[in-house]
Amino acid sequence: DAKTTQPTSMDCAEGRAANLPCNHSTISGNEYVYWYRQIHSQGPQYIIHGLKNNETNEMASLIITEDRKSSTLILPHATLRDTAVYYCIVRVYSGGSNYKLTFGKGTLLTVNP
Amino acid sequence: KAGVTQTPRYLIKTRGQQVTLSCSPISGHRSVSWYQQTPGQGLQFLFEYFSETQRNKGNFPGRFSGRQFSNSRSEMNVSTLELGDSALYLCASSPGLATYGDTQYFGPGTRLTVL
Repeated sequence: DAKTTQPTSMDCAEGRAANLPCNHSTISGNEYVYWYRQIHSQGPQYIIHGLKNNETNEMASLIITEDRKSSTLILPHATLRDTAVYYCIVRVYSGGSNYKLTFGKGTLLTVNP
Repeated sequence: KAGVTQTPRYLIKTRGQQVTLSCSPISGHRSVSWYQQTPGQGLQFLFEYFSETQRNKGNFPGRFSGRQFSNSRSEMNVSTLELGDSALYLCASSPGLATYGDTQYFGPGTRLTVL
């Protein structure tokens, strides 16, 4: 019942920009989009989040479309250490006063030398 | 600041046993969430505790339970273990409620193997 759709895998050349898309067409107006990544055998690492405007931090940039139905995570200069599974997450209503964060399957980004 | 710590890192149990996993959040964080990660199902939300109260829960059977102490440390218990409970159990802490939007910071996980 994930509310996000991401490609299963992507490749990127080292030093190039990696652009990872995410579709979240059912997102509500006040729900944030979060991006995490998980390097093999480690816990997920927070990257960035946003609501409406584009966001940038030391790790990445997040571009959210005006209708908020999709977003793109940009790693401007990918390195081999950026090889990981990238998760795009929104909050899902699960009944009563409950919400849960649904991670989905994520995108395996492989950065090649 | 020290990150989220989880103990033990690895655990082997047999079917029918019970297990308790521990999580110490980042200092000052009041929310602890638990997740189960398996190759087939990916990352699945178990529950979230905030100020010693369970505030949100996922779709797991009652064999999975948790609690949070006054210092925000949390434990997760799984009773009557089944083979399908073999997974990486991840704990995440956040300053406020994660399901209200606060950023989560994950620990390294506990790898549980049920034989």
